[in-house]
This record gives sequence, structure tokens and C-alpha cells, in this order.
Amino acid sequence: QVQLQQSGPRLVKPSQTLSLTCAISGDSVSSNSVDWNWIRLSPSRGLEWLGRTYFRSKWYYYYSISLKGRLTITPDTSKNQFSLQLNSVTPEDTAVYYCAREVHLWYGNDAFDMWGQGTMVTVSS
Amino acid sequence: SSELTQDPTVSVALGQTVRITCRGDSLRKFYASWYQQKARQAPVLLIYGENKRPSGIPDRFSASRSGDTTSLTITGTLAEDEADYFCSSRDSSGDRRVFGGGTKLTVL
Repeated sequence: QVQLQQSGPRLVKPSQTLSLTCAISGDSVSSNSVDWNWIRLSPSRGLEWLGRTYFRSKWYYYYSISLKGRLTITPDTSKNQFSLQLNSVTPEDTAVYYCAREVHLWYGNDAFDMWGQGTMVTVSS
Repeated sequence: SSELTQDPTVSVALGQTVRITCRGDSLRKFYASWYQQKARQAPVLLIYGENKRPSGIPDRFSASRSGDTTSLTITGTLAEDEADYFCSSRDSSGDRRVFGGGTKLTVL
């Protein structure tokens, strides 16, 4: 049974870096058949996809263009987890952050089938 | 702005059928998936692919697809179906993912 367990601070000051970790059990961050994503939920924007990483002989990374280079996703094979780092945060980054596994039936037929429990992160001084 | 468009709110009478739509150009190339979200809970995958439900999802949830639009249909709506519903797919490049703005379903 796959489980995703999130951890990280819930309060971040403006201009600082938001860091969260998603620990995976029941699957491998190095799996060559799934992707690992970060998604957030806010009242103003609803669900917003932030980025993903996956391993297919090498590591791949894709990020939302709207984040303008502020996001880094890093896999950690030794701990079987992946992390999010969002730089230069503002109150607009206040949201519930989720990690999620993405499965693929075939190209273009995808789904986020497993989610972390969510972390409410507030950006405030 | 989202590349997938959903109606912000939809209402349905208890026991009736409701359709929630999601529109976007990328849906002509890629399938959508649908998620249900209730307050203070993580989203739950309802439907993906042609009309595939994960184990444990009731068969009153179904999906269809035509052109640039995908629809989630709930047949015999229950009070517990009151929630937010989101569609998701790839963006036009295929490399990134997008969500619709979400539809808040009210069960009357």
C-alpha cells in the first residue's frame, strides 16, 4: 500500500524559502513507471500544479511556468523521498501543499492516484 | 489563468443526475482525470482514462469525452457528494499538468 507522508514548517516569512518533504512508502522515488508531483490548493486559485520529477534512466524535472524559476524539486533516493523548495515566497504562496504520485495508462492518459495528507503553509511575518 | 475551464458552481437535487464539464484545447489530445475534494481532506481520484474508476469509487461516477470537453456525471446524487470537483490534464506541450478552476457542487 502506497503512502505519502509530508513534513515541513507551516509558517514561513516573506522573501524566505518554503521547504517541504514527501516520504514515500510502498513505492520507490526511482520507479521508472510513475512521476512525483507537488500541487497546492488555495481559495483564490483552486488546485495548482507546481512541478514534477521522475526517473527514466535519468532524472527529469518540469515546473509550472507561473512560478518563474522559484521552484526546485529534489529526489532523495537514500531516503526514498522528494522535496520542494520554493524561493522568495510572498503571502500569495499561502496554500495547502500536497505531494502526489502520478500514474500513466499510456502517454497522455495520466492520473494522480495517491496524495499526501497536505500541509497548510502560511507566509506571514 | 487555467487552461481548463469549469463552471464555478453547480447544484443538483438529491437523487438526481448532474453533469460537471471541463473544457480546454489540450483535451483534444490528452485524457482528463477527475478529483473530488472535501474540506480539510486531500483530493481523491474519481475517474481517469476513458472512464476508469479506481477501486472503491462508486459506479454512480462516470465520465465522457467529446472534442475539447470532458464531463463528469454523477447519477443518483447523494448528500455526501457535495464537494469540490476538479479536472486535470496535460497542458498543450504535454510536459506540464493543469487543473481546472474547480466546480463546487451543492446538493439540494
